[in-house]
Amino acid sequence: QSVLTQPPSASGTPGQRVTISCSGSSSNIGSNYVYWYQQLPGTAPKLLIYRNNQRPSGVPDRFSASKSGTSASLAISGLRSEDEADYSCAAWDDSLSGLIFGGGTKLTVL
Amino acid sequence: EVQLVQSGAEVKKPGESLKISCKASGYSFSNYWIAWVRQMPGKGLEWMGIIYPGDSDTRYSPSFQGQVTISADKSINTAYLQWSSLKASHSAMYYCARLSGVSFRGYGYDLWGQGTLVTVSS
Repeated sequence: QSVLTQPPSASGTPGQRVTISCSGSSSNIGSNYVYWYQQLPGTAPKLLIYRNNQRPSGVPDRFSASKSGTSASLAISGLRSEDEADYSCAAWDDSLSGLIFGGGTKLTVL
Repeated sequence: EVQLVQSGAEVKKPGESLKISCKASGYSFSNYWIAWVRQMPGKGLEWMGIIYPGDSDTRYSPSFQGQVTISADKSINTAYLQWSSLKASHSAMYYCARLSGVSFRGYGYDLWGQGTLVTVSS
């Protein structure tokens, strides 16, 4: 069981905006940065968002993220078929002294 | 090209030992932490531990402490993950990943290997 809680699935149609939530606690999200990773089918994860809401070079601005208290969310606007992937949140946990991931959310583009 | 290239898929029997590798190129290997991440079939990502190749400072997740050994050889820009006695429950995809900065809290993993599939079966 993951320490960070994400919905197992999400879906949307092309062009829509979808959000994925990530819920944690004071020892992780509440006191540390949140990161988001995108994992396309059969490939390694890719850093999508760092430090709560920053996009690495090359990540489209259709991807945005925010954090409030012990929760975070990832938003994808103008949904495209190539966005179909697993999305995982992550944060350092001070109690565990380790990085923890959410269980991942499988995004389906209908 | 900046990349991490992992060793190939492995099929092992329970009780056997195994060491998989992650070779870095295109950047200063000694100056970036390298982590190992497990992904069991159909499951999420799990952080196993991390090593700083420059001085071999290593930290383990409590869940993996004592279960695996993480090491690195900076002379050949390679990090390793090893098991002394494999179990069926060790069957998974294993990724190495580079931490983009010096702080565990403040940086993400910006470079990933392609993954090594480990299958343990009698």
